[in-house]
Amino acid sequence: DTGVSQNPRHKITKRGQNVTFRCDPISEHNRLYWYRQTLGQGPEFLTYFQNEAQLEKSRLLSDRFSAERPKGSFSTLEIQRTEQGDSAMYLCASSETTGYTNTEAFFGQGTRLTVV
Amino acid sequence: DAKTTQPPSMDCAEGRAANLPCNHSTISGNEYVYWYRQIHSQGPQYIIHGLKNNETNEMASLIITEDRKSSTLILPHATLRDTAVYYCIVRPPRASSASKIIFGSGTRLSIRP
Repeated sequence: DTGVSQNPRHKITKRGQNVTFRCDPISEHNRLYWYRQTLGQGPEFLTYFQNEAQLEKSRLLSDRFSAERPKGSFSTLEIQRTEQGDSAMYLCASSETTGYTNTEAFFGQGTRLTVV
Repeated sequence: DAKTTQPPSMDCAEGRAANLPCNHSTISGNEYVYWYRQIHSQGPQYIIHGLKNNETNEMASLIITEDRKSSTLILPHATLRDTAVYYCIVRPPRASSASKIIFGSGTRLSIRP
């Protein structure tokens, strides 16, 4: 499967614990996005990378959240000191930008986080 | 904030054409209209996009009005597997910070047998 891969698919954690999710984008895709989606809502933008550079972070991304894309390939999203309100689906997407042109973004299946 | 307005829900009979409307009255001249859908518990799936001309691919057709203030996604022969939330999105062509995809609430399409 050459699509966007996210691991784990499901994560249950106790409040206060740290969690880390991984996203492997489609190879050659230089742009990578993270989104969060709660029940009944559309995905909300969190942050995106152009290669290894994190170019934008939403105000939704509190200090407890950090994302990295160290070599411009896979990315990790870490949540420290999880709270029940962090329970959501975390989606990763990737796209290719050719010069200045956008292309469609492809999404992974998401990681569903449940904080108990 | 999303720049599009969609009805919260629609239904359609299996085998019939599903026509999903979208209003984007503040669209800029160079912004594209994108459609994605999200089947339950899966990530959003790209369907189609267009600028001003009508577009068709193996999944759907996109009809954009001449003034570009609204568009319609057409699924020509809806099946039960087309039951999903459909998102209409406006997006600039250039790979700038504004090119992130901003989702609204979408339209929940139910296909009845």
